[in-house]
Amino acid sequence: GAGVSQSPSNKVTEKGKDVELRCDPISGHTALYWYRQRLGQGLEFLIYFQGNSAPDKSGLPSDRFSAERTGESVSTLTIQRTQQEDSAVYLCASSTGGALGTDTQYFGPGTRLTVL
Amino acid sequence: AQKITQTQPGMFVQEKEAVTLDCTYDTSDPSYGLFWYKQPSSGEMIFLIYQGSYDQQNATEGRYSLNFQKARKSANLVISASQLGDSAMYFCAMRGNFGNEKLTFGTGTRLTIIP
Repeated sequence: GAGVSQSPSNKVTEKGKDVELRCDPISGHTALYWYRQRLGQGLEFLIYFQGNSAPDKSGLPSDRFSAERTGESVSTLTIQRTQQEDSAVYLCASSTGGALGTDTQYFGPGTRLTVL
Repeated sequence: AQKITQTQPGMFVQEKEAVTLDCTYDTSDPSYGLFWYKQPSSGEMIFLIYQGSYDQQNATEGRYSLNFQKARKSANLVISASQLGDSAMYFCAMRGNFGNEKLTFGTGTRLTIIP
């Protein structure tokens, strides 16, 4: 079946502009996660959705970052007034949301964001 | 808080040899999961193997095995008979139980297989 998809694959924007990044999870996966990966670094957690509620937003770096999810489907990560330090690859993952032993996160290909 | 430490920023291994990538962790959760992901130069994150904290046996998936030593809080990835296609970044990650579902990642190890 289809994996996690993300769009756009690349986004170049000017400092101060708003951007929207989209994630389509694997069908049937109730849990959805956003991570950020700066160049040469590991992944940083941003936000976690279970269905359309977000029980863990602890990784959002500032109030310029927000995310929403429609039901158990697509999610959008919005960055307002982008800054150069927002440049990174934004990765989305989804999982069944089940018990620990069965809940593997599968990742999309990411969106590479460049803020000029 | 959860923490993952990968102390090998880079490794070079001869093709067909076995390689061990180190990972140590710290958590206060009584149950947790440990994961390894591979990230080739193309950028996608590929799930390799999972180990649950209460699993009695070490996990294996084809050429991948996880050397889990709970008392030492280590979860090393062993790749047997390495291949050129194994060249990539490898990330160790952990997840807690309900209420702590996010993955916490280490800084990764860049593995290069030499022909």
